[in-house]
Amino acid sequence: NAGVTQTPKFRVLKTGQSMTLLCAQDMNHEYMYWYRQDPGMGLRLIHYSVGEGTTAKGEVPDGYNVSRLKKQNFLLGLESAAPSQTSVYFCASSYHLTGSDQPQHFGDGTRLSIL
Amino acid sequence: AQKVTQAQTEISVVEKEDVTLDCVYETRDTTYYLFWYKQPPSGELVFLIRRNSVDEQNEISGRYSWNFQKSTSSFNFTITASQVVDSAVYFCALKKVDSGYSTLTFGKGTMLLVSP
Repeated sequence: NAGVTQTPKFRVLKTGQSMTLLCAQDMNHEYMYWYRQDPGMGLRLIHYSVGEGTTAKGEVPDGYNVSRLKKQNFLLGLESAAPSQTSVYFCASSYHLTGSDQPQHFGDGTRLSIL
Repeated sequence: AQKVTQAQTEISVVEKEDVTLDCVYETRDTTYYLFWYKQPPSGELVFLIRRNSVDEQNEISGRYSWNFQKSTSSFNFTITASQVVDSAVYFCALKKVDSGYSTLTFGKGTMLLVSP
């Protein structure tokens, strides 16, 4: 039961470097999400996707790009990393049933440090 | 705009004490959903419960219980006879359903420390 898998689990970058975080889910979920978690801030939504080929901005999208080329994968990119992007990043996925309250299932997180 | 407030930043109790974690939310939607997640020291987020805005019936699951009061926009979480393994950060979240799309708004979390 893999569920939601995030790669990598840890990464250290220098300011200005780029990288991509990978999220993969094996539950055939339509929706996928990227959050960041900072101390005292809870989780904040960066981007989300309601299906293959679609993406939308969340609460804090600046400095990030995403792609959903395959239903099971949701990529989060940092084109030019900044120290303010040091955070723990969580991916989540959920079913889509109109009017329903399907919970989001989370990955284990990626701890990213920008020096 | 939606907002979730968890006023308690940190709570410390001794094992076997009962503890209640508060959650107050703001929304203009008539239909919405509320969730509680647990984040243990290992870091993963564990889904605990969901509640829709229509059903105000309280729920009990073992030592956990939830009190949803729409009149006060609160969805509080009580742990009875707390245990050390309950030590974690607990997040309350509100789910907006807009045109079939749904996004979660999280509170800032309450860290619960249960000492032996």
